[in-house]
Amino acid sequence: EDQVTQSPEALRLQEGESSSLNCSYTVSGLRGLFWYRQDPGKGPEFLFTLYSAGEEKEKERLKATLTKKESFLHITAPKPEDSATYLCAVQAGGNTGKLIFGQGTTLQVKP
Amino acid sequence: EAQVTQNPRYLITVTGKKLTVTCSQNMNHEYMSWYRQDPGLGLRQIYYSMNVEVTDKGDVPEGYKVSRKEKRNFPLILESPSPNQTSLYFCASKRDRSYNEQFFGPGTRLTVL
Repeated sequence: EDQVTQSPEALRLQEGESSSLNCSYTVSGLRGLFWYRQDPGKGPEFLFTLYSAGEEKEKERLKATLTKKESFLHITAPKPEDSATYLCAVQAGGNTGKLIFGQGTTLQVKP
Repeated sequence: EAQVTQNPRYLITVTGKKLTVTCSQNMNHEYMSWYRQDPGLGLRQIYYSMNVEVTDKGDVPEGYKVSRKEKRNFPLILESPSPNQTSLYFCASKRDRSYNEQFFGPGTRLTVL
């Protein structure tokens, strides 16, 4: 069964304290892995798409990487405004276009 | 501005009273989905549509209906809402069923009493 697991569930950092979020997946034929940011009560906001192992994408303080079994979202020198829930989703092979979401990591960055 | 819009944003209703949540996108996307988000369960797909007049069930379709008569609109219909349908609902769209990014609406918080 296709599955996505994110860890940790919650993470508290001090401003400037770098860390990484993990997304482990088991899918039949990965076609794409997506990272989203979600603020409370709002819709997920697209961050990155990764398609193949070894691929990396960067945006400001965020960097996403992909291996054959997991993806990491590295946050360098975070600021309080980076506080949010980060969601990972995968799209497997097949023709439904369906995304399978993890349950997210809630990040809190304290000043 | 490219966006997905949903209405209403908040809704409190009673068991059995039919309701419709509208969704519209202005990006000419073929693929649209409805999700519900519940604490501890994450985002789960309710229904999806690959194009006009083409819809199919997602993971949790029971108690919901959808229609896709126009490319830009994808309403979610609850014929007889029940309290277990109290949730945060998101509409989403993407260019097509292939591996491109999905854009989400702002969400509709539904409470069924």
